[in-house]
Amino acid sequence: DAEITQSPRHKITETGRQVTLACHQTWNHNNMFWYRQDLGHGLRLIHYSYGVHDTNKGEVSDGYSVSRSNTEDLPLTLESAASSQTSVYFCASSRGSSAQHFGDGTRLSIL
Amino acid sequence: GESVGLHLPTLSVQEGDNSIINCAYSNSASDYFIWYKQESGKGPQFIIDIRSNMDKRQGQRVTVLLNKTVKHLSLQIAATQPGDSAVYFCAEIPQGAQKLVFGQGTRLTINP
Repeated sequence: DAEITQSPRHKITETGRQVTLACHQTWNHNNMFWYRQDLGHGLRLIHYSYGVHDTNKGEVSDGYSVSRSNTEDLPLTLESAASSQTSVYFCASSRGSSAQHFGDGTRLSIL
Repeated sequence: GESVGLHLPTLSVQEGDNSIINCAYSNSASDYFIWYKQESGKGPQFIIDIRSNMDKRQGQRVTVLLNKTVKHLSLQIAATQPGDSAVYFCAEIPQGAQKLVFGQGTRLTINP
């Protein structure tokens, strides 16, 4: 069955370090999205991609970057981790304007 | 600006009762709406969707109602079970867009 997987599921790191979160989907979806979820804020869009080599900023993109070199993967990089980036991160994918399928998230703690 | 919100942040119902979760949206140009369920430690899971050319859609134990006149969306869950306890999000996709606009979520608790 097609799926979307995120890794790692949990990560603890220190401020200032570069961190990369992986997202891999086997739906063959053209669209991929990264969200963060914090108490009191719901899901907020960080970056998204509508296809290979396409990337776009979401509402909370500062401090994050993505690259899309193939259909299946959209890694999210925190260039220099800050404590304010402690959160749960979700990746999602969709075909066109259809419903998005979500991974089970990465819980990131920055100390 | 565009927003999708929820009237009630928490809802408790007795097991076996029906529950209704409400959502208001502000973008009258939106033409696709989705309800997601999120259990603890998991990502949002698709429950049911509806397009703007419909006012009702039914699934297994769930019904979504869309009232475009007042820009209101609701999710009805029949005969609730303990496994229905979760946070429920409504989301919309504005016409011509491919991104979701999410609401804050409603926590549904099923009491035994």
